[in-house]
Amino acid sequence: AQKITQTQPGMFVQEKEAVTLDCTYDTSDQSYGLFWYKQPSSGEMIFLIYQGSYDEQNATEGRYSLNFQKARKSANLVISASQLGDSAMYFCAMRNLRGTDKLIFGTGTRLQVFP
Amino acid sequence: DAGVIQSPRHEVTEMGQEVTLRCKPISGHNSLFWYRQTMMRGLELLIYFNNNVPIDDSGMPEDRFSAKMPNASFSTLKIQPSEPRDSAVYFCASSLRALAGGLGPDTQYFGPGTRLTVL
Repeated sequence: AQKITQTQPGMFVQEKEAVTLDCTYDTSDQSYGLFWYKQPSSGEMIFLIYQGSYDEQNATEGRYSLNFQKARKSANLVISASQLGDSAMYFCAMRNLRGTDKLIFGTGTRLQVFP
Repeated sequence: DAGVIQSPRHEVTEMGQEVTLRCKPISGHNSLFWYRQTMMRGLELLIYFNNNVPIDDSGMPEDRFSAKMPNASFSTLKIQPSEPRDSAVYFCASSLRALAGGLGPDTQYFGPGTRLTVL
């Protein structure tokens, strides 16, 4: 069975600093995808970044990058130059790329950026 | 471009009443998902459709829940009768599912959610 673990219920970071949000996963599938979503206090779920299990390079999207370590089954999100607007819940999710379209979510990490 | 549209955004109802949540996926997307988010259970998939056909409804809690997708641009999630434990945020998401057997991300894009309160 697939499982996503986010061990940090809350994180604090000062504005303009970088922060890493941890995500570990468990799957027996060889072909899978890892996703990060942001949920601000307004409630919507915003897609941030994607990493495929066969991708050789770590994904990057603007200030977001994914530190993918396949052997350790970790897919940590790195936010560089944090901004106050980055304060939100962040969810890691995984999907088996063969077969089901079902996304499995972690419990989330609440990030608070302070001035 | 319009994202996933959900209505209503907020719904307050009394126990025993029927509730209907609505979703319009992103134009051109061929997969639609209904999720529920609660503090206790987090985000969980209820049901999803490919090309308007229900594929996996194993997450639907019980017979009180039903979902339909009569066409590519509309889906409903109905709860009848509603109970206080159904109180949650219900999200609809859509994606463009690539070729069968493909290994693309088929990223799911979420609507703003419907906050349901059952008194």
